[in-house]
Amino acid sequence: GAGVSQSPRYKVTKRGQDVALRCDPISGHVSLYWYRQALGQGPEFLTYFNYEAQQDKSGLPNDRFSAERPEGSISTLTIQRTEQRDSAMYRCASQAGNTGELFFGEGSRLTVL
Amino acid sequence: LAKTTQPISMDSYEGQEVNITCSHNNIATNDYITWYQQFPSQGPRFIIQGYKTKVTNEVASLFIPADRKSSTLSLPRVSLSDTAVYYCLVGDRGNKLVFGAGTILRVKS
Repeated sequence: GAGVSQSPRYKVTKRGQDVALRCDPISGHVSLYWYRQALGQGPEFLTYFNYEAQQDKSGLPNDRFSAERPEGSISTLTIQRTEQRDSAMYRCASQAGNTGELFFGEGSRLTVL
Repeated sequence: LAKTTQPISMDSYEGQEVNITCSHNNIATNDYITWYQQFPSQGPRFIIQGYKTKVTNEVASLFIPADRKSSTLSLPRVSLSDTAVYYCLVGDRGNKLVFGAGTILRVKS
């Protein structure tokens, strides 16, 4: 597609439910990054992939969070047993190569009740 | 990863030049310096990137001294629409890219 696409744009869920957030990067982009952003804060690194390989997952807060990119394109960030503190904007970005230029999607706003 | 330090906020008036400085004392040899702009309710957007000396594009200039321990983003003749958060990232472009807290720039009329 023309840009990075994220879905759903908005997700409201109850505590304890699992959620899956999807990211469709710009076609051909090698790297894909996940960030979480709270109001008034900078984006917090979660994890990133080169092709299908997860290169760094040091930012994932705990083992309820996981991410995959099985075919080196679309990625899914999964949060199991959601908690209220998981409420945030989740942002995905892709990068063509080692350019350092990230292209961000519109984000997925998660609200856990 | 190099730690970055930026002012929390800056105020300016329309038509002025704005310079935002970022400190990154432990920058590594392979690290580049990249600046992003973020408007409310939008994702960050790439502005400019450099390794050393000066880089200029249609929106900004980036000045990097020889020791590379700091960098300055220069926005010429700002307008109200330049009100945003500006982030300085320092890192190896093929690796983990970490955002700091950013600088809130408020442009007033």
